[in-house]
Amino acid sequence: GEDVEQSLFLSVREGDSSVINCTYTDSSSTYLYWYKQEPGAGLQLLTYIFSNMDMKQDQRLTVLLNKKDKHLSLRIADTQTGDSAIYFCAESNTDKLIFGTGTRLQVFP
Amino acid sequence: SQTIHQWPATLVQPVGSPLSLECTVEGTSNPNLYWYRQAAGRGLQLLFYSVGIGQISSEVPQNLSASRPQDRQFILSSKKLLLSDSGFYLCAWSWGVGNTEAFFGQGTRLTVV
Repeated sequence: GEDVEQSLFLSVREGDSSVINCTYTDSSSTYLYWYKQEPGAGLQLLTYIFSNMDMKQDQRLTVLLNKKDKHLSLRIADTQTGDSAIYFCAESNTDKLIFGTGTRLQVFP
Repeated sequence: SQTIHQWPATLVQPVGSPLSLECTVEGTSNPNLYWYRQAAGRGLQLLFYSVGIGQISSEVPQNLSASRPQDRQFILSSKKLLLSDSGFYLCAWSWGVGNTEAFFGQGTRLTVV
């Protein structure tokens, strides 16, 4: 079945760039997403990329997709303390939306 | 605009007791509906999804069941809770066509004691 994997933790200094990585197994994924979860809350969509794209930039966020290796990454430029959260990678194909294990990003001053 | 309501926010239940978590969506029709469970260190696990009334797909065999009695209502149930059912349960909806962005409820923290 579908599987989405992420590293569990990432710690960065404020002002540096953060890169969160994700690998997935379903080669028929049509959309890939990054969601952010604040403590004790639901998830909110940060950005998404269509499977025929290699890169998408949205302000401080850059998404890179390597479809051949089934690898997705999220780069956050100039990381701020407010970016501390859990980041989930997700992939969809038709009606199912499968999430990764989540990466907890901790930003320290 | 569309909104999603999920309740209760927190719940403490004894082992062996029943469970009913409810989720409703407003402002759209025929949404895809999802139940996820988030357990520590295990990410977000898809439990059930539904593409229409009475249509439930189960992703993981377990002690839980789901029902969709109305178009915008999704219920997660159990007849007898286990300790391992503890976790953070999230309901979500999407349009289910093309870009399936999901919109999440605020979650229910379930503790089985």
